[in-house]
Amino acid sequence: DADVTQTPRNRITKTGKRIMLECSQTKGHDRMYWYRQDPGLGLRLIYYSFDVKDINKGEISDGYSVSRQAQAKFSLSLESAIPNQTALYFCATSDPASGSLYNEQFFGPGTRLTVL
Amino acid sequence: TQLLEQSPQFLSIQEGENLTVYCNSSSVFSSLQWYRQEPGEGPVLLVTVVTGGEVKKLKRLTFQFGDARKDSSLHITAAQPGDTGLYLCAGGTGGTSYGKLTFGQGTILTVHP
Repeated sequence: DADVTQTPRNRITKTGKRIMLECSQTKGHDRMYWYRQDPGLGLRLIYYSFDVKDINKGEISDGYSVSRQAQAKFSLSLESAIPNQTALYFCATSDPASGSLYNEQFFGPGTRLTVL
Repeated sequence: TQLLEQSPQFLSIQEGENLTVYCNSSSVFSSLQWYRQEPGEGPVLLVTVVTGGEVKKLKRLTFQFGDARKDSSLHITAAQPGDTGLYLCAGGTGGTSYGKLTFGQGTILTVHP
C-alpha cells in the first residue's frame, strides 16, 4: 500500500463549486504539505502543517484553506473554485525525526483538478 | 523571495548520449535535493547534497553542489529511455523558511530509443 494517498485522483468541477481534496499518510510523519503544479512553474507551496495544531500559509494560499484533522490527515479545500485553479495538486510529508534530516519530502500520486 | 532557475526546461536526446541539467540561484541553500517525477505520479527523491563542492553518484547519475551552495547540477551518462521524466531541484534553508523547500521549474527529459 502507498505511504501517501490522495483522493480523488481526478476531479472535474464547475466554477463556484466547493471542492475538498484529501490526503492520508501511513508514514507517521508530523509535517504535511500541499503543493500545486503547473507546467513550467514547478511546485508551489499552498499550505503546510508541522503538527495537528500548526497550520501555515505558503506562497500561494489565496483561494484555498486546509484542515489537519489528525496527524495522518490533511485536507485542502477550494471554497469557490475558479478556472485558474486548474492544476495538479500534490500532498507531501516529511519528518526530520524519522530520517529526512533535510526536510526531504515524500509525495502522494497527485490529484488532477479541472475547473470549468 | 528565493528562486531556483533550472535549465534547460526541455531536453530531447537519443539513447546513449550524455546530458547535464543545471539549477541556479542567487541565494545560499543549506541543502539541495533532486527529485524525479514520472507521468501520473508524484516526485520521488533521488539525492540530497548538503556540503559545498559535494559530489554524489547514483549509478549513471552524478549530482554536484556548488562550492558556494547556490547552484547544483545533475549529469546523466549514457542516457536510457528509462531516464525519461521530469527532474526537479529543490533547495532548503533555515530561518523563517525552516521546514520548507523552494522548487525549480523542472526539466522535462525525453530519451529516445
